[in-house]
Amino acid sequence: GENVEQHPSTLSVQEGDSAVIKCTYSDSASNYFPWYKQELGKRPQLIIDIRSNVGEKKDQRIAVTLNKTAKHFSLHITETQPEDSAVYFCAARTNAGKSTFGDGTTLTVKP
Amino acid sequence: GAVVSQHPSRVICKSGTSVKIECRSLDFQATTMFWYRQFPKKSLMLMATSNEGSKATYEQGVEKDKFLINHASLTLSTLTVTSAHPEDSSFYICSVPGGTDTQYFGPGTRLTVL
Repeated sequence: GENVEQHPSTLSVQEGDSAVIKCTYSDSASNYFPWYKQELGKRPQLIIDIRSNVGEKKDQRIAVTLNKTAKHFSLHITETQPEDSAVYFCAARTNAGKSTFGDGTTLTVKP
Repeated sequence: GAVVSQHPSRVICKSGTSVKIECRSLDFQATTMFWYRQFPKKSLMLMATSNEGSKATYEQGVEKDKFLINHASLTLSTLTVTSAHPEDSSFYICSVPGGTDTQYFGPGTRLTVL
């Protein structure tokens, strides 16, 4: 089955700096890669996603890049703000519909 | 996107009792729903895929007799934790697949077994 590895597990940045979280996946059949933000005790919220036919996608301060050959994808957050502090999960999904999640990255943005 | 609710949001029960958790898709008909569990500071682990009108598909290592899933209608799936024990304490989240690739998560149910 699919295996998703996510790094780093914790990340601390100063407000205004950029944050980068990286994930690798194992199943070449995976074709959809969402990123979720989860605050304590809340449901995961989709913040951005990318499909396998696209190399990069950007939405304001958030961007995701995908390298299909290397089987890795990354989340980039620029101009970080304290409200960006949360746990971020990457996931990989195949056509079968099941998503495999990374272990999560706890991002702390210091004011 | 789809609106997904879960009930209850929190439940505390004694060891040995059974607990039922409901997942409802309020504005979207769902032939499939997913059930996840999440331990504190851990990732979401897929437990099973709930299929309307047929048996659920369980992930490897998940006991189907302990975690009973019933997909009664296109808007309701239930997860029953039978004979709950303290190690079953967790955050249980359901999700509904969207029209394309997206999935919409419920708000989760915090189960504490004493």
